[in-house]
Amino acid sequence: EPEVTQTPSHQVTQMGQEVILRCVPISNHLYFYWYRQILGQKVEFLVSFYNNEISEKSEIFDDQFSVERPDGSNFTLKIRSTKLEDSAMYFCASSEAQRNLAGGYNEQFFGPGTRLTVL
Amino acid sequence: RKEVEQDPGPFNVPEGATVAFNCTYSNSASQSFFWYRQDCRKEPKLLMSVYSSGNEDGRFTAQLNRASQYISLLIRDSKLSDSATYLCVVKGTGRRALTFGSGTRLQVQP
Repeated sequence: EPEVTQTPSHQVTQMGQEVILRCVPISNHLYFYWYRQILGQKVEFLVSFYNNEISEKSEIFDDQFSVERPDGSNFTLKIRSTKLEDSAMYFCASSEAQRNLAGGYNEQFFGPGTRLTVL
Repeated sequence: RKEVEQDPGPFNVPEGATVAFNCTYSNSASQSFFWYRQDCRKEPKLLMSVYSSGNEDGRFTAQLNRASQYISLLIRDSKLSDSATYLCVVKGTGRRALTFGSGTRLQVQP
């Protein structure tokens, strides 16, 4: 069964450093997403990406964040200057673009996540 | 008011029990509704979509009441493997972003 993969599984960094989190979405999917989950809190939407541009972003996704699809398979999230409060699990997700037969949007498949620890 | 509100639990039930989770959402323009399951320190996985007419998948039944902005999930004949956090998830009209509730934790005991 196709799946979303993410690397690394755990990233430890010093405050102020740049980090790049990597994701390989499911190959025939066209929509890509990043979510984060701070320990003990709910999953929060960061950004969605389609046709090589951001289609939607949340208030969390400020100028410190950027996303990129550098080639045909990878989708990355960059945090330019990490803060302590960026420590969280970051989930990548992907979905097909078209609606399903019931008229709703197709399922977003989540990767296993990257645990980011900022010291 | 939170966008998606759930009772955090935990719900501790014996194997074989029937358990129900409720969820309310604040945005009346919400278009799509889901229940996801999340195991400890794992990614969310879709359990089922929720349709206006209600839908059932094996031991799981989901209901939507748009007038009351209320979603429910019923699990019959609970198994040990059902122990997880159940996330109520809503998607707004014209949006792709999923809005998650904080989740309800279920612990099924032998």
